[in-house]
Amino acid sequence: EVQLVQSGAEVKKPGESLKISCKGSGYSFITYWIGWVRQMPGKGLEWMGIIYPGDSDTRYSPSFQGQVTISADKSISTAYLQWSSLKASDTAMYFCARAPDDTTMVDYWGQGTLVTVSS
Amino acid sequence: QTVVTQEPSLTVSPGGTVTLTCASSTGAVTSRYYPNWFQQKPGQAPRALIYSTSNKHSWTPARFSGSLLGGKAVLTLSGVQPEDEAEYYCLLYYGGAQLRVFGTGTKVTVL
Repeated sequence: EVQLVQSGAEVKKPGESLKISCKGSGYSFITYWIGWVRQMPGKGLEWMGIIYPGDSDTRYSPSFQGQVTISADKSISTAYLQWSSLKASDTAMYFCARAPDDTTMVDYWGQGTLVTVSS
Repeated sequence: QTVVTQEPSLTVSPGGTVTLTCASSTGAVTSRYYPNWFQQKPGQAPRALIYSTSNKHSWTPARFSGSLLGGKAVLTLSGVQPEDEAEYYCLLYYGGAQLRVFGTGTKVTVL
């Protein structure tokens, strides 16, 4: 059974750093892309970027380039999304999702990680 | 900035049919945008329904179908069930730096 299990909710202060995770199981982690999606409170879905764990090829949507870092550790089948200095506007639910390639399809989703940034 | 537009809300009666559309600010949506459709219920992660315009995942109910019509991607729900009440999002692939862009979402109410 394909599963993407994300790390738990986080509460942080502005300026702090954070790294959240997405662990894949039930499939060959290195042969599928992992994308990250933001959903701000009461808002729609936003595509942030995508990584291919096999060779760490990473692509960012323009709105998120330079704002976050996407990485992966294929030895433990885990992808990451990290911030070096959080802002209140980073408060959102973040989802990871699996993509067999970087164009045609997104299939399985993680359960989401709620990040709250507040002073 | 590319904008992908969907109807904000639609209402359908149980057993009825509803059509959702997905339009791109760059022009006509074609199969090369590989339209995907997702369903999201409150408090849940999105669930994939359709990929590459009209292909269903193994778990997608038969009453959901995807197509292209009039320069837009289309999701049709036939024989709507109460459990279909949800937010629906399309996702288009633009390639290059744009990667993928989600639509604005459509809230479907079954009433």
